[in-house]
Amino acid sequence: AQSVTQLGSHVSVSEGALVLLRCNYSSSVPPYLFWYVQYPNQGLQLLLKYTSAATLVKGINGFEAEFKKSETSFHLTKPSAHMSDAAEYFCAVSAGNTPLVFGKGTRLSVIA
Amino acid sequence: KAGVTQTPRYLIKTRGQQVTLSCSPISGHRSVSWYQQTPGQGLQFLFEYFSETQRNKGNFPGRFSGRQFSNSRSEMNVSTLELGDSALYLCASSLNQGQQETQYFGPGTRLLVL
Repeated sequence: AQSVTQLGSHVSVSEGALVLLRCNYSSSVPPYLFWYVQYPNQGLQLLLKYTSAATLVKGINGFEAEFKKSETSFHLTKPSAHMSDAAEYFCAVSAGNTPLVFGKGTRLSVIA
Repeated sequence: KAGVTQTPRYLIKTRGQQVTLSCSPISGHRSVSWYQQTPGQGLQFLFEYFSETQRNKGNFPGRFSGRQFSNSRSEMNVSTLELGDSALYLCASSLNQGQQETQYFGPGTRLLVL
């Protein structure tokens, strides 16, 4: 069975600082990995998706993530945080015929 | 292209009642999945429909059911509501079924059970 662990339920960064949100996955077969963002009172919006074509995946709003098989990680980064990045971020894994499995989420706060 | 739409957006019910939530997928999408989101349990998979057939089901009691129509629109029903059913219910659609498919989410229906 697949699983996702997001380290840190809450991350706080200063505006302009590096954003790093951690995600580790477990899967017995090659996975597809996703990062979604959720703003208050809204649904989930896809940030980026790993499909094995390239280990470094670029997404929307300046975010990117690197797939590291040896570390079973898929951490999300952004070089410079903006106030509008404050939201909840979810990492998810899909593999085999099982449904999408989400991590518990990381709430990102951006301090002016 | 219009996104995934869910109706109603907000709902208040009392214990013991039943509720039906509706989801219209992105035009052309044939797969619809439902998730329950709560502060304590996070995002939990309810079920997935593809071509009017349930393809996957999560670990929820039989009070939770769903269906998909020939136009890919989907409904989920919860009978005999309990306080613990209060949650944000999210619908997601994808073009086809499969692990490689990207799911696009609607804004959700927030259900409050009193």
